[in-house]
Amino acid sequence: SQQGEEDPQALSIQEGENATMNCSYKTSINNLQWYRQNSGRGLVHLILIRSNEREKHSGRLRVTLDTSKKSSSLLITASRAADTASYFCATDAAGGGGNKLTFGTGTQLKVEL
Amino acid sequence: GAVVSQHPSWVICKSGTSVKIECRSLDFQATTMFWYRQFPKQSLMLMATSNEGSKATYEQGVEKDKFLINHASLTLSTLTVTSAHPEDSSFYICSASVYRGRDSPLHFGNGTRLTVT
Repeated sequence: SQQGEEDPQALSIQEGENATMNCSYKTSINNLQWYRQNSGRGLVHLILIRSNEREKHSGRLRVTLDTSKKSSSLLITASRAADTASYFCATDAAGGGGNKLTFGTGTQLKVEL
Repeated sequence: GAVVSQHPSWVICKSGTSVKIECRSLDFQATTMFWYRQFPKQSLMLMATSNEGSKATYEQGVEKDKFLINHASLTLSTLTVTSAHPEDSSFYICSASVYRGRDSPLHFGNGTRLTVT
């Protein structure tokens, strides 16, 4: 399976704390993307980092990418209860036709008041 | 912008019947749409790539005769689960990108919860 893995599988933190999720993948990539899924809903795109980038920020999100280790991390700072959701990384494999993503196993984040 | 609408959001059907799920791009044209299946607390598994005006490309292990995909226009793709059985019960999600090529994020529908009794 080419599916990536994420850890932790589940994460529970208090509001205001930072949440860090990690993703590992297996193939060379064009880019890596992070998505969020609220329970029973579709996925929402959060951020995309290209293979030649090492770090990217968007609001309270910070993503890093280490292509030598085939890993990425997503940091959510100053978490809020509304951040409670599942978070998935997804990779666009190098040499592919583009847009065909392989999703990781996901991290379930719970932010408690 | 970039809204993908999926309908129905949930459906219950009897074993042996067929169910059609629609995926529409509301404010953009999607030459390619993707269909996924997701089991509870698991990741998304790509079932097939739906190409406007041509046959869908199915992933290994996905039965093309059971999961019929039609992409008749630039804004509509449909997935029909034929002769559904309880093991087909799952969450089905479609997605599309605004443009082709690299570095294009996907926009997802809200999914369809299928329950086969």
